[in-house]
Amino acid sequence: KAGVTQTPRYLIKTRGQQVTLSCSPISGHRSVSWYQQTPGQGLQFLFEYFSETQRNKGNFPGRFSGRQFSNSRSEMNVSTLELGDSALYLCASSLDSPSYEQYFGPGTRLTVT
Amino acid sequence: AQKVTQAQTEISVVEKEDVTLDCVYETRDTTYYLFWYKQPPSGELVFLIRRNSFDEQNEISGRYSWNFQKSTSSFNFTITASQVVDSAVYFCALSEASNDYKLSFGAGTTVTVRA
Repeated sequence: KAGVTQTPRYLIKTRGQQVTLSCSPISGHRSVSWYQQTPGQGLQFLFEYFSETQRNKGNFPGRFSGRQFSNSRSEMNVSTLELGDSALYLCASSLDSPSYEQYFGPGTRLTVT
Repeated sequence: AQKVTQAQTEISVVEKEDVTLDCVYETRDTTYYLFWYKQPPSGELVFLIRRNSFDEQNEISGRYSWNFQKSTSSFNFTITASQVVDSAVYFCALSEASNDYKLSFGAGTTVTVRA
């Protein structure tokens, strides 16, 4: 069974631009969660989608948004990029709820200059 | 408030030594889940174990073992006979119903195994 895939793996953007990251979950998994990882803040929960609906949201500004498609694939978007948005963005999928095992993708390394 | 505390920032051992990673959590829920993840230099978080709050039985999987003690709110992880490939950052995480089961991660412990 294929694992979680994320594209692109690396991205360099300029302040003020916007970016879209993509995540394809493990086949059969309906819950997709996104996390931001930075050296200073560690791993922080962004949001979780289930059946095309945002089920949970972390404490991030509205510039961070996401969506989920009918095939469970998910995208997250960050608008008006700031230097502080530079991070590893990790996507995780689980069968039903985040309380189940979450399987993570390799992440997208975003650098904002 | 930090829900998951991993007091050890870095641990360095020589190959074949045992290493124990501490994890202390804080919750008022009676139903919750605890996890350990490994993050090798490649960056991908690898799932190691999931435990629910009603199952305090310790577990052994190969060279890995976990000690869950509700009385001390701890979920410690031991690597026996460490190998260089065990070098990674290890994260403990908590999932609570009162927090919609969102994963709250500890700060992580960097384990370096020297040959």
